[in-house]
Amino acid sequence: QKEVEQDPGPLSVPEGAIVSLNCTYSNSAFQYFMWYRQYSRKGPELLMYTYSSGNKEDGRFTAQVDKSSKYISLFIRDSQPSDSATYLCAMRVNTGGFKTIFGAGTRLFVKA
Amino acid sequence: NAGVMQNPRHLVRRRGQEARLRCSPVKGHSHVYWYRQLPEEGLKFMVYLQKENIIDESGMPKERFSAEFPKEGPSILRIQQVVRGDSAAYFCASSPTPGGLNTEAFFGQGTRLTVV
Repeated sequence: QKEVEQDPGPLSVPEGAIVSLNCTYSNSAFQYFMWYRQYSRKGPELLMYTYSSGNKEDGRFTAQVDKSSKYISLFIRDSQPSDSATYLCAMRVNTGGFKTIFGAGTRLFVKA
Repeated sequence: NAGVMQNPRHLVRRRGQEARLRCSPVKGHSHVYWYRQLPEEGLKFMVYLQKENIIDESGMPKERFSAEFPKEGPSILRIQQVVRGDSAAYFCASSPTPGGLNTEAFFGQGTRLTVV
């Protein structure tokens, strides 16, 4: 069993839709949770990070963490064609260093 | 992605040759991380280095792979005697400090290695 499971998609939605992206994990020691966006043939860029259960909002993006269920989500409101990318969830234990464990990524297509 | 420079962006090597991938971190960052991304897979941690020291190489294959981050110059990921299975995108990231919620790493654009 992988430490982090993420549905690879692809997920195709019309412009303006609400997008829900999810990951589950097995290691209860994970404390930092992140979402990265990766455009084709580019490096990942950090979208959001959190270390506590609950919701964190930043513009059109909301990150949700449920540690009891080992489940994290990223919601994108009013999706735009420019949101079309691969979204990677990532997490790590709170220790020095950056041994971050990534999900496989979900490919999202937002149709105009 | 600001500031982390990787080169070359694309590298083609024949089986058995050596591949050298370079990473110049963001100015002032002394922590460098290398990740490998296979097609349709997420990033896999390889190695974490500070200046002149390897801190964690638990994700690095035991043979043919090595990494360094010298006092001067870029970090180098070296793959000797490449095989087809080494074909992947290799990403470098850097950070000013090793951990903490507000010091997440910045990634470079990656080097895409193709072994023919």
